[in-house]
Amino acid sequence: DAGITQSPRHKVTETGTPVTLRCHQTENHRYMYWYRQDPGHGLRLIHYSYGVKDTDKGEVSDGYSVSRSKTEDFLLTLESATSSQTSVYFCAIIPGGANTEAFFGQGTRLTVV
Amino acid sequence: AQRVTQPEKLLSVFKGAPVELKCNYSYSGSPELFWYVQYSRQRLQLLLRHISRESIKGFTADLNKGETSFHLKKPFAQEEDSAMYYCALQGKDSSYKLIFGSGTRLLVRP
Repeated sequence: DAGITQSPRHKVTETGTPVTLRCHQTENHRYMYWYRQDPGHGLRLIHYSYGVKDTDKGEVSDGYSVSRSKTEDFLLTLESATSSQTSVYFCAIIPGGANTEAFFGQGTRLTVV
Repeated sequence: AQRVTQPEKLLSVFKGAPVELKCNYSYSGSPELFWYVQYSRQRLQLLLRHISRESIKGFTADLNKGETSFHLKKPFAQEEDSAMYYCALQGKDSSYKLIFGSGTRLLVRP
């Protein structure tokens, strides 16, 4: 599993509340990614990071922010959760760069009610 | 625009039948292409990379640049192949980000 863990694994929250998901890696890899998985859409990139305090937007970044103050942690925050953000969220790392394997976390199932 | 298309949401076959999961891509240049698989209650994991030209669990995938396709094939499906399959491309920019298709669920019936 390349030492990548996500927390929490499951969360139910109310519309309008802030939510933070955590991705933790144990091997100090530079590149980390947050995806959301939805039926009919596959996995879509939300944000990614290429180092401490270096982040950039993916294709579905609206309503999400990220922070990376330490190499090992990449946090995804929903500032004000909406029902459209109900999804399964996956964190990934790509240790080797181009044309190498990506490793994924176990996923976080988030339900916004 | 970078895009991956998997036209089939669900592919249902009987055990022992051949399988082909379709993947087409759009990218100006030569991307890296992958197939990832997600078995029930497991993490997404790499199945194949086009550059390695290997066979994993009996699956192969050939890159056809003319048709911009990277279809996944297996001559004889097994029940344990039932899973969600995602085709993905990685562009040449320094982000190394993966762009995924919408996925195909393969169901192999006994």
